[in-house]
Amino acid sequence: AQSVTQLDSQVPVFEEAPVELRCNYSSSVSVYLFWYVQYPNQGLQLLLKYLSGSTLVKGINGFEAEFNKSQTSFHLRKPSVHISDTAEYFCAVIGYKIQGAQKLVFGQGTRLTINP
Amino acid sequence: NAGVTQTPKFQVLKTGQSMTLQCAQDMNHEYMSWYRQDPGMGLRLIHYSVGAGITDQGEVPNGYNVSRSTTEDFPLRLLSAAPSQTSVYFCASSYSIQYEQYFGPGTRLTVT
Repeated sequence: AQSVTQLDSQVPVFEEAPVELRCNYSSSVSVYLFWYVQYPNQGLQLLLKYLSGSTLVKGINGFEAEFNKSQTSFHLRKPSVHISDTAEYFCAVIGYKIQGAQKLVFGQGTRLTINP
Repeated sequence: NAGVTQTPKFQVLKTGQSMTLQCAQDMNHEYMSWYRQDPGMGLRLIHYSVGAGITDQGEVPNGYNVSRSTTEDFPLRLLSAAPSQTSVYFCASSYSIQYEQYFGPGTRLTVT
């Protein structure tokens, strides 16, 4: 089975400062990794994903994440945040088996608050 | 395209009542799923389907039923509502699990 731990439930940051949201996963098989964002009173939308290839993945709105297999991590970063980045961010993992991957497992979420 | 639609947006039930949350997508996606979102617990998978006629259980299936008679629709049935089922429910769809999941706007359910 797979599991995801988001190490920070809340992260307050000043506008234009850099931010890192941490995500660690556990899996006995190879994984696909995702970051989703949820703006207030909305559904989730995909920020970025790692399936294979380059371990540095760039997504929408200036976000990027790095897959680190040895540390089983997939931390999300942005060099300069904006007020509009205030949202909840979810890390998610699929364990890929020979038969095919079927279940997406989400972390608990990190609430990012940007202060002016 | 309307994307993923969910109805109703809000619902209040009494303990023991049953109801169906509707989910439809017009993107011809094979994979559909239902999640519940509770504070501090992220999203937890209830049931999922990899195509019409095929469904399977997720992490928290107890108290819920699903069926998939068409590619477009994936209703979630609460058999006998309990206060523990108070939550926000999201339906999602995608071409396949490793592709982007498209989420509906959610249904906020309160069971009293």
